[in-house]
This record gives sequence, structure tokens and C-alpha cells, in this order.
Amino acid sequence: QSVLTQPPSASGTPGQRVTISCSGGSSNIGSNTVNWYQQLPGTAPKLLIFGNNHRPSGVPDRFSGSKSGTSASLAISGLQSEDEADYYCAAWDDSLNGVFGGGTKLTVL
Amino acid sequence: EVQLVESGGGLVQPGRSLRLSCTASGFTFGDYAMSWFRQAPGKGLEWVGFIRSKAYGGTTEYAASVNGRFTISRDESKSIAYLQMNSLKTEDTAVYYCSRVIDSGSPIGGDYWGQGTLVTVSS
Repeated sequence: QSVLTQPPSASGTPGQRVTISCSGGSSNIGSNTVNWYQQLPGTAPKLLIFGNNHRPSGVPDRFSGSKSGTSASLAISGLQSEDEADYYCAAWDDSLNGVFGGGTKLTVL
Repeated sequence: EVQLVESGGGLVQPGRSLRLSCTASGFTFGDYAMSWFRQAPGKGLEWVGFIRSKAYGGTTEYAASVNGRFTISRDESKSIAYLQMNSLKTEDTAVYYCSRVIDSGSPIGGDYWGQGTLVTVSS
């Protein structure tokens, strides 16, 4: 059972906007920043969002992050077939532990 | 170009030890904290631990699941981070990744990752 809660799956059609939610608690999302990762099959995770809503260089602005209270969301606009992947939220916890969501498998229909 | 290359994985019996290395290049290694993560076959990501940069004392934090068994260290002269794994259990079987921490205030944010190395714990 993961500390952060994500829906196991999400889907959308090309061009659509999709959001993935991540719910946590006061000791993690509520008091620390959220990161989002994309993982394509057989590859290492790629950082999409750090510090709640900042994109590393090279990440398209189709990807955006937000946080409110103890929840966070990843939004993908202009959905493309290459966005089909697993997405994970992550946050630091005040117990000095890193915590992840269980991952969301995004299918592009 | 930033590169991280893990090595040292393999098949090991329960109770034995293994040391993983993460060789860094393309950036000033000493300026960054380094984290280790793992992913069991078919499962999600798990944070293992991290080591702060020397400027922040080079201290470490670990996940509860490995605390007391795993040790992270770093060699600034070689730009290598190590993960020493002792008393290995079958549930430690996973692909292990090292990562450069983008923000020292959030050790779970890694902007560059290695390709991963598979550790299989089995008799």
C-alpha cells in the first residue's frame, strides 16, 4: 500500500487534456513539494515536474503540475501517443522518508 | 552531458552482501546530493535513501525497509556514490537506480537517473 494515492489507470484520446490526481497527508504533500515522474516501459523514470509546478529543461509545457492542501495533480494537454506511460507522484515526508504513489498507467486511445 | 552509470548488480543469496556503484560524469559531483531508488519486478518505485552533499555534511537518510542494512557513501575524488547492501532479503530483489537530486530540500526529486542495475536475491 503506497503512502500517496493515485488512480491505477487513466486514458484519453489524442489532443485531449488528461489529469492525474495524487492524494497524501499533512506530513508529506501538505508540508513538502511534489514531484512527478514519467516512466516508459523498460526505461528509467524521467522527472516531469519538481517543486509542485516546475518543469526541468526539455520537458514540454504540455505537462503542468499543481498542488492544493494535501493533494496534487498532473495535467497533460494536447495528449500524444508517446505520452502512454506510467506516471508517479512523489514527495518528501517529515519523517525523513521519500514516499511515492502507486503509479497511474496512462493509455492513449 | 550529465551521465550516471550504475554497476555491481547480480544474483546473490539471501543474507549475503552486495555493493552497487553509481559513477557520475558531466557535472560537479560534490555539489549535489545523490539518491538511490529501486523498483521490484512489475511494481512501483520505492525510495531507498540518499546522501547529502559534502557542504551539508554528507549525511544520509534511509527508508525504513532498509535502515540498518543498507549504507550509502560517496567518493568525491572518483565521483562515485555507493550503495552497500548487507543482510539481503528476497524482497530486496529489484532494479536499483541512482539519481542526482535536483533540490536538496526534496531528496525524492531526481533530475538525472542512471539506467539501473538488477539485483536478484535468491537461493
